[in-house]
Amino acid sequence: DGGITQSPKYLFRKEGQNVTLSCEQNLNHDAMYWYRQDPGQGLRLIYYSQIVNDFQKGDIAEGYSVSREKKESFPLTVTSAQKNPTAFYLCASRGFSVGNTIYFGEGSWLTVV
Amino acid sequence: AQRVTQPEKLLSVFKGAPVELKCNYSYSGSPELFWYVQYSRQRLQLLLRHISRESIKGFTADLNKGETSFHLKKPFAQEEDSAMYYCALRTNNFNKFYFGSGTKLNVKP
Repeated sequence: DGGITQSPKYLFRKEGQNVTLSCEQNLNHDAMYWYRQDPGQGLRLIYYSQIVNDFQKGDIAEGYSVSREKKESFPLTVTSAQKNPTAFYLCASRGFSVGNTIYFGEGSWLTVV
Repeated sequence: AQRVTQPEKLLSVFKGAPVELKCNYSYSGSPELFWYVQYSRQRLQLLLRHISRESIKGFTADLNKGETSFHLKKPFAQEEDSAMYYCALRTNNFNKFYFGSGTKLNVKP
């Protein structure tokens, strides 16, 4: 079954702990993205990567880190520096053919307790 | 800076009524606009894009560069259209996608 897989779907974290959200795609897409979705604020871009071993900060990168060691994987680490980490996180990917849009995973709910 | 604005958080219409979900954007380059939809318990998915000039599930959207708008329209709403709708803009450089805050469409029987 092709697509984007995010795990875990639900995650609880204690304050002060780092947590890593997984995102894997088998669509052979070059670009991958992480968004944060908060009620009433839509999707805000955290990080994106257009190619392996390269990534760029989005609009709200503070307190987050990523890596892109493999084409199919783009994990997001929510660090203890992130002031308000409780949110719904969406991973997406995009191929570079003309007209290609982005495809989303099902998302991961992170709750800080 | 680029921005996508969806002024309505919630839009309620009766089945069979016309519906228009508004989207305005600001971008200094030549934009590529999309509408995404999220049905209950499903992932966010593409509904349509302006370059295709297509009609999907009866929805259409026309890019108006003069008004910087990309409103989504359907002449006769159906109950199954109830969902969250997001307008998105893709920049020419770096292929970044910007999303609006979303409009929840509720189609009443």
